[in-house]
Amino acid sequence: DPKIIQKPKYLVAVTGSEKILICEQYLGHNAMYWYRQSAKKPLEFMFSYSYQKLMDNQTASSRFQPQSSKKNHLDLQITALKPDDSATYFCASSQEGHNYAEQFFGPGTRLTVL
Amino acid sequence: GDSVTQKEGLVTLTEGLPVMLNCTYQTIYSNAFLFWYVHYLNESPRLLLKSSTDNKRTEHQGFHATLHKSSSSFHLQKSSAQLSDSALYYCALSYYGNEKITFGAGTKLTIKP
Repeated sequence: DPKIIQKPKYLVAVTGSEKILICEQYLGHNAMYWYRQSAKKPLEFMFSYSYQKLMDNQTASSRFQPQSSKKNHLDLQITALKPDDSATYFCASSQEGHNYAEQFFGPGTRLTVL
Repeated sequence: GDSVTQKEGLVTLTEGLPVMLNCTYQTIYSNAFLFWYVHYLNESPRLLLKSSTDNKRTEHQGFHATLHKSSSSFHLQKSSAQLSDSALYYCALSYYGNEKITFGAGTKLTIKP
């Protein structure tokens, strides 16, 4: 059974629209993250949440808003979509408090903005 | 800020030859953790190796790496490449008390018969 679920797997959107990327983890972790991987670029840290509270935000644009309705959920709302937002978005989780930040990644959502 | 450098963007090797992927890092924190993540096509990135102990070799699935704090390096090695090793390899950095991981640019390793 998949431990981290991301929905949808593929998403096509038009410029200016709004989308929500879903992430649920069933590893019992208390910390969750979002990463982005654009074409020909490395994995880029976006947000970290711990116990449903925002801990770190490395995304300059307010168009990206994480939403945590439950401890094991961390969705990503993206508004006013632009073609440059096209990327694969990975959700990850870890058990905070361990002496290393080993993170487990979901399968990703590939977003294409036309 | 923290940074991770992977000089080689693409590495192509013949099966059976040794693998060495370079990784150097910069951080002001002495309690750094270094990682190698592997990302196979159409799969999720997953942890391959990790270390926080200076000069101690760590091994997993035939790969090994040694953290050298004096040279800020954490190179990934394997004695004999296999076709199934073809993937994207990320070196990454974190430190105790920080949940954010800083990834390098990644090295795409392609193994040919």
